[in-house]
Amino acid sequence: DAGVIQSPRHEVTEMGQEVTLRCKPISGHNSLFWYRQTMMRGLELLIYFNNNVPIDDSGMPEDRFSAKMPNASFSTLKIQPSEPRDSAVYFCASSSGTKEETQYFGPGTRLLVL
Amino acid sequence: AQTVTQSQPEMSVQEAETVTLSCTYDTSESDYYLFWYKQPPSRQMILVIRQEAYKQQNATENRFSVNFQKAAKSFSLKISDSQLGDAAMYFCAYRRAYYSGGGADGLTFGKGTHLIIQP
Repeated sequence: DAGVIQSPRHEVTEMGQEVTLRCKPISGHNSLFWYRQTMMRGLELLIYFNNNVPIDDSGMPEDRFSAKMPNASFSTLKIQPSEPRDSAVYFCASSSGTKEETQYFGPGTRLLVL
Repeated sequence: AQTVTQSQPEMSVQEAETVTLSCTYDTSESDYYLFWYKQPPSRQMILVIRQEAYKQQNATENRFSVNFQKAAKSFSLKISDSQLGDAAMYFCAYRRAYYSGGGADGLTFGKGTHLIIQP
């Protein structure tokens, strides 16, 4: 069974441009999580969904960040406009959503904003 | 808010020896889960081991075991017979057990410990 799929794996863009990161969760999983990893702040939860509904977006840093999950097999994280401080590795993870669940991570997207 | 602290930014161990990575956490919850994730240079986050707070018995997975001290809020990872492939960043993570609006919560991570294996 395929794991969590993220695209692109690497993204280089210029400040002010829109960036869209994509995630396909493991089939059958109904919880999806977006994390960001930086040297300064470590791994932090940005937002998570259950059954396609956003449950907690308190980790989203600014209004420039938005996330959607239009269906059970696809989610996007958008940054508009992007800034150099958004440079990080963005991970998507999915889980079964049960109390006993374990989260499985995608390979991450390394974003560099120049 | 929950916090997870890993006080060892870096650890070094000789191949075949045993090493213990430390983790402490702070929570007011009584039911929660604790995890150790491994992140090799590929950046992939790999689950190493998990512990359920209401279980007294310490979790083990082959060469990996934990020492879970609930009262002390301590959750250390022991790696026995260290191998070169164990070299990686190791992250301790916490998740409360109950649902929040449906579904499980996100993870709170420590800052990580960089494990070096000396051949």
